[in-house]
Amino acid sequence: NAGVMQNPRHLVRRRGQEARLRCSPMKGHSHVYWYRQLPEEGLKFMVYLQKENIIDESGMPKERFSAEFPKEGPSILRIQQVVRGDSAAYFCASSPLLAGARSNRQFFGPGTRLTVL
Amino acid sequence: DQQVKQNSPSLSVQEGRISILNCDYTNSMFDYFLWYKKYPAEGPTFLISISSIKDKNEDGRFTVFLNKSAKHLSLHIVPSQPGDSAVYFCAARYKGGSEKLVFGKGTKLTVNP
Repeated sequence: NAGVMQNPRHLVRRRGQEARLRCSPMKGHSHVYWYRQLPEEGLKFMVYLQKENIIDESGMPKERFSAEFPKEGPSILRIQQVVRGDSAAYFCASSPLLAGARSNRQFFGPGTRLTVL
Repeated sequence: DQQVKQNSPSLSVQEGRISILNCDYTNSMFDYFLWYKKYPAEGPTFLISISSIKDKNEDGRFTVFLNKSAKHLSLHIVPSQPGDSAVYFCAARYKGGSEKLVFGKGTKLTVNP
């Protein structure tokens, strides 16, 4: 059973370009989360999605950042007009939908390391 | 404002001894606490969790203790092994509504042979 997949693993962009980060959750998982980790920091929640729905985007910057989890295909985190401060590791996590209970565990992918030049 | 705090950036122990990693939190709205282990250039790996209604959970060499009155939890690793060397993150999940996790900054554990 494959784990959470993220690609690319490393992404280099120049200021002003767009970055697209992809996440395929574990098989059978219908919840996807995105987190960002700055150097020497813990992971910070960005957004929580279920298929075709954004459930909680309280951690997303108001501008330039967007996320989606379409009915088919991976979840996408999109950063428009990147700036140097966007350089970070972006982690995706997934969890299953448990009937009658809430999962207390999120499974993380290997992350995408974004470098903005 | 940091709601989950890991005040020790690093910890070094000898192989075979006990490792104790500490975590404090400020928000009473957390219902689960989790520990993740992270190696460089990899994603966090789930280690162990504890519900806010429990005070102890054990899984093999790993035990998590929760002291709700002190808003403090700790992870004990006994015996410590060199392969345990990694960064350990404490995380807390909000009760109800969003499933988001709030992470501490991590503690880098080094287990010396």
